[in-house]
Amino acid sequence: EAGVAQSPRYKIIEKRQSVAFWCNPISGHATLYWYQQILGQGPKLLIQFQNNGVVDDSQLPKDRFSAERLKGVDSTLKIQPAKLEDSAVYLCASTSSKGREVGELFFGEGSRLTVL
Amino acid sequence: KQEVTQIPAALSVPEGENLVLNCSFTDSAIYNLQWFRQDPGKGLTSLLLIQSSQREQTSGRLNASLDKSSGRSTLYIAASQPGDSATYLCAVSRGSYIPTFGRGTSLIVHP
Repeated sequence: EAGVAQSPRYKIIEKRQSVAFWCNPISGHATLYWYQQILGQGPKLLIQFQNNGVVDDSQLPKDRFSAERLKGVDSTLKIQPAKLEDSAVYLCASTSSKGREVGELFFGEGSRLTVL
Repeated sequence: KQEVTQIPAALSVPEGENLVLNCSFTDSAIYNLQWFRQDPGKGLTSLLLIQSSQREQTSGRLNASLDKSSGRSTLYIAASQPGDSATYLCAVSRGSYIPTFGRGTSLIVHP
């Protein structure tokens, strides 16, 4: 079974530029998450989708971050314009709402963003 | 708001030792608790998932326990090896599968 796919793995941009990250969850997983992980810290939830609807985006900086999950499968996270403090790893995760693995999180390899 | 604390923040031990990593949480109304391993520059790999109705889970040399009433979980690593060196994170979920993470324990096992 394929895992959570993310791209790109690495991205370097200058401040005020824009960037987009893509995530394809495990097939059949209705719930998708985007996390931000700053070096030395635990992941911080940015947004949670259930199918193509938003469950929680209370910690998403909406003046610069946006995310969508059209058709309830893959998702895109965009940052525009980027700030220096956005340098982090952006992790995508998914989970199933049924079966033995219900509620178990599966993560992708992450997208490392460096803002200069 | 759920807060998750992991102690110790860092640990360095010789190979062969049995280890205990701790995770505490403030709200005991949880759905499940999951332990992860993260290698440098990598994503998170799931180690063990404990549903709220369970007390413990085991996988190989790993054993995780859950005590909801005291807001604590323990990850036990038996006979540690250099390959166990990584950061270990716990995540606690309430309903609607909204996980909150601790900051992790950075483990180094030296030969």
